[in-house]
Amino acid sequence: DQQVKQNSPSLSVQEGRISILNCDYTNSMFDYFLWYKKYPAEGPTFLISISSIKDKNEDGRFTVFLNKSAKHLSLHIVPSQPGDSAVYFCAASVTGGTSYGKLTFGQGTILTVHP
Amino acid sequence: DTGVSQDPRHKITKRGQNVTFRCDPISEHNRLYWYRQTLGQGPEFLTYFQNEAQLEKSRLLSDRFSAERPKGSFSTLEIQRTEQGDSAMYLCASSGIGSTFGSGTRLTVV
Repeated sequence: DQQVKQNSPSLSVQEGRISILNCDYTNSMFDYFLWYKKYPAEGPTFLISISSIKDKNEDGRFTVFLNKSAKHLSLHIVPSQPGDSAVYFCAASVTGGTSYGKLTFGQGTILTVHP
Repeated sequence: DTGVSQDPRHKITKRGQNVTFRCDPISEHNRLYWYRQTLGQGPEFLTYFQNEAQLEKSRLLSDRFSAERPKGSFSTLEIQRTEQGDSAMYLCASSGIGSTFGSGTRLTVV
C-alpha cells in the first residue's frame, strides 16, 4: 500500500513562475514531513520540512504547506529557476518510537523549469 | 564533515553472484538507514541501525540480504545470490529526521 502519494509524475513551469508540487498521505500517524530534491546519479538532498503542529514553513524560495485534515501537503517554489529542475520527493515520518527517522517516500515528481 | 560516502558508485554483477556495498556515515551520527530505489519510484526503507544495533528490517529485506554495522561506524549491505530484480539504486542515509543521503550504489544484475 502506498502511504505517501505524489499523483503528478511531472510538472513543467516557466522560469520566474510558481511551481506547486503536491503530496497526499494516508497514515494518520505521520507527524513530520519532508521534501527532498534529487538529481540523476545523486542521492536525495533535503530541502525543507514541516512538523504536524504547523501548517506552513518557509525557507527562502521554498514554502511547504500542510493540511492535516485533508492529509495533504504541497511545496511551493517561487520564483522557479532552471536550476530547480530535478525530481522532487515528498517523505513522511513518525517521530515517536523506534521508527524515528525512518522515511516513507512518494513516487516523485519531475519538475522542469524552462528558461 | 565529508557527508555520507557510499562505495562503489556502480556495480555490475552476474546473476547468482554475491555483492557487498559499503556506507560511511557522517561521523558521530548514530543512526544509519539503508533504502532501495527502483526506476520511477521513491526510495523504499530496507533497514536501520542505531549504533551497532539493527533495530528494524523491512519485509523487502529477504533472507538473501544482510546488513551489518560493526562498532557503530560504517555499514555494509550484502546481497547473496543476486537476482535481476535486485537491480536498483541502494541508498544509505545518516542520522534521523532530515536524513543526509549518500550518492548511492547503482547495482545492475545481468
